[in-house]
Amino acid sequence: DAGVTQSPTHLIKTRGQQVTLRCSPKSGHDTVSWYQQALGQGPQFIFQYYEEEERQRGNFPDRFSGHQFPNYSSELNVNALLLGDSALYLCASSLAGPQETQYFGPGTRLLVL
Amino acid sequence: GQSLEQPSEVTAVEGAIVQINCTYQTSGFYGLSWYQQHDGGAPTFLSYNALDGLEETGRFSSFLSRSDSYGYLLLQELQMKDSASYFCALPGRDDKIIFGKGTRLHILP
Repeated sequence: DAGVTQSPTHLIKTRGQQVTLRCSPKSGHDTVSWYQQALGQGPQFIFQYYEEEERQRGNFPDRFSGHQFPNYSSELNVNALLLGDSALYLCASSLAGPQETQYFGPGTRLLVL
Repeated sequence: GQSLEQPSEVTAVEGAIVQINCTYQTSGFYGLSWYQQHDGGAPTFLSYNALDGLEETGRFSSFLSRSDSYGYLLLQELQMKDSASYFCALPGRDDKIIFGKGTRLHILP
Protein backbone atom coordinates (compact mmCIF):
# COMPACT_ATOMS: atom_id res chain seq x y z
CA ASP A 1 0.00 0.00 0.00
CA ALA A 2 1.66 3.21 -1.18
CA GLY A 3 1.88 6.02 1.29
CA VAL A 4 1.69 9.69 0.45
CA THR A 5 3.87 10.60 -2.49
CA GLN A 6 5.04 14.02 -3.61
CA SER A 7 6.83 15.32 -6.67
CA PRO A 8 9.29 16.69 -7.38
CA THR A 9 11.59 16.01 -4.44
CA HIS A 10 13.67 19.12 -5.02
CA LEU A 11 13.15 22.26 -7.06
CA ILE A 12 15.11 25.43 -7.73
CA LYS A 13 13.34 28.53 -9.00
CA THR A 14 14.12 32.23 -9.27
CA ARG A 15 12.17 35.12 -7.81
CA GLY A 16 9.01 35.97 -9.68
CA GLN A 17 8.57 32.53 -11.19
CA GLN A 18 5.68 30.18 -10.58
CA VAL A 19 5.82 26.63 -9.24
CA THR A 20 3.47 23.64 -9.07
CA LEU A 21 3.94 20.87 -6.54
CA ARG A 22 2.05 17.59 -6.65
CA CYS A 23 0.75 15.15 -4.08
CA SER A 24 -0.89 11.75 -4.24
CA PRO A 25 -2.64 10.77 -1.03
CA LYS A 26 -2.45 7.47 0.75
CA SER A 27 -4.83 4.91 -0.72
CA GLY A 28 -8.33 5.38 0.63
CA HIS A 29 -7.77 8.91 1.87
CA ASP A 30 -9.95 11.73 0.59
CA THR A 31 -8.54 14.80 2.35
CA VAL A 32 -5.27 16.54 1.50
CA SER A 33 -3.59 19.25 3.55
CA TRP A 34 -0.55 21.29 2.60
CA TYR A 35 2.05 22.66 4.99
CA GLN A 36 5.10 24.88 4.64
CA GLN A 37 8.09 24.11 6.83
CA ALA A 38 10.91 26.63 6.98
CA LEU A 39 14.30 25.46 8.17
CA GLY A 40 14.31 24.90 11.93
CA GLN A 41 10.58 25.55 12.28
CA GLY A 42 7.47 23.48 12.63
CA PRO A 43 5.15 22.91 9.67
CA GLN A 44 2.66 25.72 9.05
CA PHE A 45 -0.78 24.95 7.66
CA ILE A 46 -1.42 26.40 4.20
CA PHE A 47 -4.78 24.92 3.23
CA GLN A 48 -6.82 21.76 3.03
CA TYR A 49 -8.82 20.18 0.24
CA TYR A 50 -11.80 17.88 0.47
CA GLU A 51 -14.21 16.92 -2.29
CA GLU A 52 -12.21 19.09 -4.71
CA GLU A 53 -12.82 22.24 -2.69
CA GLU A 54 -10.65 24.29 -0.37
CA ARG A 55 -12.13 23.64 3.04
CA GLN A 56 -9.76 25.59 5.26
CA ARG A 57 -6.98 28.07 4.77
CA GLY A 58 -4.11 29.22 6.95
CA ASN A 59 -2.49 32.64 7.03
CA PHE A 60 -0.97 32.56 3.55
CA PRO A 61 -1.40 35.09 0.72
CA ASP A 62 -3.42 34.48 -2.40
CA ARG A 63 -0.19 33.70 -4.27
CA PHE A 64 -0.66 30.25 -2.76
CA SER A 65 -3.43 28.32 -4.46
CA GLY A 66 -4.33 24.72 -4.90
CA HIS A 67 -6.49 22.17 -6.52
CA GLN A 68 -7.81 18.70 -5.80
CA PHE A 69 -8.67 16.27 -8.56
CA PRO A 70 -11.44 13.64 -8.65
CA ASN A 71 -8.87 10.95 -7.76
CA TYR A 72 -8.07 12.96 -4.58
CA SER A 73 -4.57 13.95 -5.72
CA SER A 74 -3.71 17.58 -5.24
CA GLU A 75 -1.53 20.39 -6.51
CA LEU A 76 -0.08 23.39 -4.74
CA ASN A 77 0.69 26.43 -6.89
CA VAL A 78 2.76 29.37 -5.80
CA ASN A 79 2.93 32.47 -8.01
CA ALA A 80 5.39 35.36 -7.99
CA LEU A 81 7.89 33.45 -5.89
CA LEU A 82 9.77 35.29 -3.15
CA LEU A 83 13.03 34.33 -1.49
CA GLY A 84 11.04 33.68 1.68
CA ASP A 85 9.07 30.95 -0.06
CA SER A 86 12.13 28.71 0.17
CA ALA A 87 11.02 25.84 2.40
CA LEU A 88 10.01 22.21 2.59
CA TYR A 89 6.44 21.79 1.36
CA LEU A 90 4.65 18.89 2.96
CA CYS A 91 1.48 17.21 1.88
CA ALA A 92 -0.56 15.21 4.36
CA SER A 93 -3.54 12.99 3.66
CA SER A 94 -6.26 11.67 5.90
CA LEU A 95 -9.83 10.54 5.98
CA ALA A 96 -12.36 13.31 6.47
CA GLY A 97 -13.40 13.79 10.06
CA PRO A 98 -12.09 15.23 13.30
CA GLN A 99 -8.90 13.89 14.82
CA GLU A 100 -8.20 11.52 11.97
CA THR A 101 -4.47 10.81 11.79
CA GLN A 102 -2.70 12.71 9.04
CA TYR A 103 0.00 10.91 7.09
CA PHE A 104 2.75 13.08 5.68
CA GLY A 105 4.61 12.70 2.44
CA PRO A 106 8.39 13.18 2.16
CA GLY A 107 7.97 16.76 0.99
CA THR A 108 9.26 18.92 -1.84
CA ARG A 109 12.22 21.11 -0.99
CA LEU A 110 11.89 24.41 -2.85
CA LEU A 111 14.77 26.82 -3.15
CA VAL A 112 14.08 30.29 -4.53
CA LEU A 113 17.12 32.23 -5.73
CA GLY B 1 -5.27 32.09 18.52
CA GLN B 2 -3.31 28.96 19.16
CA SER B 3 0.31 28.59 20.17
CA LEU B 4 2.67 25.98 21.57
CA GLU B 5 5.94 26.31 23.42
CA GLN B 6 8.59 23.61 23.63
CA PRO B 7 12.35 23.67 24.23
CA SER B 8 14.42 24.13 21.10
CA GLU B 9 16.98 21.47 22.00
CA VAL B 10 17.43 18.62 24.47
CA THR B 11 20.46 16.38 24.91
CA ALA B 12 20.44 12.94 26.51
CA VAL B 13 22.59 9.83 26.71
CA GLU B 14 21.91 6.57 24.91
CA GLY B 15 19.94 4.19 27.12
CA ALA B 16 18.62 6.98 29.34
CA ILE B 17 15.17 8.58 29.64
CA VAL B 18 14.29 12.02 28.32
CA GLN B 19 11.21 14.19 28.71
CA ILE B 20 10.20 16.86 26.19
CA ASN B 21 7.75 19.39 27.59
CA CYS B 22 5.08 21.35 25.76
CA THR B 23 2.76 24.09 26.92
CA TYR B 24 -0.05 25.37 24.78
CA GLN B 25 -2.68 28.06 24.44
CA THR B 26 -5.88 27.49 22.53
CA SER B 27 -9.48 28.60 22.64
CA GLY B 28 -10.84 25.21 21.65
CA PHE B 29 -9.04 22.06 22.73
CA TYR B 30 -9.27 18.85 20.71
CA GLY B 31 -6.25 17.05 22.04
CA LEU B 32 -2.48 17.21 21.92
CA SER B 33 -0.43 15.23 19.41
CA TRP B 34 3.24 14.44 19.04
CA TYR B 35 5.21 13.94 15.82
CA GLN B 36 8.74 12.81 15.10
CA GLN B 37 10.75 14.10 12.17
CA HIS B 38 14.18 12.87 11.17
CA ASP B 39 16.43 15.18 9.17
CA GLY B 40 15.24 15.23 5.58
CA GLY B 41 12.20 13.14 6.42
CA ALA B 42 8.47 13.56 6.84
CA PRO B 43 6.79 14.10 10.20
CA THR B 44 5.41 10.83 11.52
CA PHE B 45 2.62 10.58 14.06
CA LEU B 46 3.64 9.29 17.50
CA SER B 47 0.76 9.82 19.89
CA TYR B 48 -2.43 11.67 20.70
CA ASN B 49 -3.90 12.62 24.08
CA ALA B 50 -7.44 13.90 24.38
CA LEU B 51 -7.88 13.17 28.09
CA ASP B 52 -5.65 13.77 31.11
CA GLY B 53 -3.12 11.13 31.94
CA LEU B 54 -0.42 9.00 30.44
CA GLU B 55 -0.61 7.10 27.15
CA GLU B 56 2.07 4.48 26.60
CA THR B 57 3.20 3.08 23.27
CA GLY B 58 6.29 0.96 23.61
CA ARG B 59 9.28 3.07 24.59
CA PHE B 60 7.32 6.28 24.04
CA SER B 61 4.74 7.74 26.42
CA SER B 62 2.80 10.97 26.27
CA PHE B 63 1.17 12.83 29.13
CA LEU B 64 -1.51 15.51 29.21
CA SER B 65 -2.82 17.86 31.87
CA ARG B 66 -5.63 19.95 30.44
CA SER B 67 -5.96 22.10 33.56
CA ASP B 68 -2.30 23.14 33.19
CA SER B 69 -2.37 23.31 29.36
CA TYR B 70 0.69 21.11 29.50
CA GLY B 71 1.91 17.87 28.08
CA TYR B 72 5.12 15.96 27.65
CA LEU B 73 6.62 13.21 25.58
CA LEU B 74 8.70 10.65 27.44
CA LEU B 75 11.23 8.54 25.59
CA GLN B 76 12.74 5.59 27.43
CA GLU B 77 15.75 3.40 26.66
CA LEU B 78 17.01 5.97 24.21
CA GLN B 79 18.57 4.71 21.01
CA MET B 80 20.72 6.62 18.55
CA LYS B 81 17.93 6.34 15.99
CA ASP B 82 15.75 8.48 18.27
CA SER B 83 17.86 11.49 17.32
CA ALA B 84 15.29 13.67 15.57
CA SER B 85 13.04 16.67 16.00
CA TYR B 86 9.89 16.22 18.03
CA PHE B 87 6.85 18.42 17.57
CA CYS B 88 3.88 18.86 19.82
CA ALA B 89 0.79 19.86 17.90
CA LEU B 90 -2.81 20.91 18.38
CA PRO B 91 -5.21 19.13 16.03
CA GLY B 92 -8.20 21.26 15.18
CA ARG B 93 -11.85 20.35 15.11
CA ASP B 94 -11.58 19.95 11.36
CA ASP B 95 -8.18 18.40 10.68
CA LYS B 96 -6.07 21.59 10.65
CA ILE B 97 -2.98 20.98 12.79
CA ILE B 98 -1.02 23.72 14.55
CA PHE B 99 2.57 22.64 15.22
CA GLY B 100 5.09 23.88 17.75
CA LYS B 101 8.53 24.90 16.58
CA GLY B 102 9.98 21.55 17.51
CA THR B 103 12.55 20.17 19.93
CA ARG B 104 15.75 18.80 18.48
CA LEU B 105 16.83 15.75 20.47
CA HIS B 106 20.56 15.01 20.49
CA ILE B 107 21.63 11.62 21.81
CA LEU B 108 25.15 11.04 23.01
CA PRO B 109 26.72 7.56 22.93
